[in-house]
Amino acid sequence: AQSVSQHNHHVILSEAASLELGCNYSYGGTVNLFWYVQYPGQHLQLLLKYFSGDPLVKGIKGFEAEFIKSKFSFNLRKPSVQWSDTAEYFCAVNARGGGFKTIFGAGTRLFVKA
Amino acid sequence: DAGVTQSPTHLIKTRGQHVTLRCSPISGHKSVSWYQQVLGQGPQFIFQYYEKEERGRGNFPDRFSARQFPNYSSELNVNALLLGDSALYLCASSLYREAFFGQGTRLTVV
Repeated sequence: AQSVSQHNHHVILSEAASLELGCNYSYGGTVNLFWYVQYPGQHLQLLLKYFSGDPLVKGIKGFEAEFIKSKFSFNLRKPSVQWSDTAEYFCAVNARGGGFKTIFGAGTRLFVKA
Repeated sequence: DAGVTQSPTHLIKTRGQHVTLRCSPISGHKSVSWYQQVLGQGPQFIFQYYEKEERGRGNFPDRFSARQFPNYSSELNVNALLLGDSALYLCASSLYREAFFGQGTRLTVV
């Protein structure tokens, strides 16, 4: 069965600090990978996605993620966080050919201190 | 462009009651999925429908059911509500591989 593991449940950073959120998935086949963000009081929004090709993908608001197939990882990064990045971040995966069933990690709550 | 719309946004039900949640997908999207998000956890997959047929089901009891209509809108039904069913219920529509989420319905069971 597919599963997604996010290593950090809570992260606190100061503005301008660099961010890296870990995500590992468990699935032996080909996958599509996503990072979603949920700002306080708002719905889930797609930050970035990986389907194929260049394993380094860039998303909105300066976020990027790197797919490392050998490590089953898809870590999210941002060089310099802002107070407005305070939100909950979810890593998600769905399997190629498995329809649209998307499995989510438990989420990482990021708090950025101004 | 209208996104995924869900109704109602909030509701309160009593244990043992039944509830129906509704979802309208983005125009042109033929797949709808339902998720349950309990506070402090990631969304958990409940159902996926494509072209009015159930294509996937998560690990939820038979009290949970859903259907998709010819216009691709969908309903999630939950019978015999339990306190533990209190959660945010999310609907997502998809055209291909990417899911677009609605604002959710916050269900409180008392």
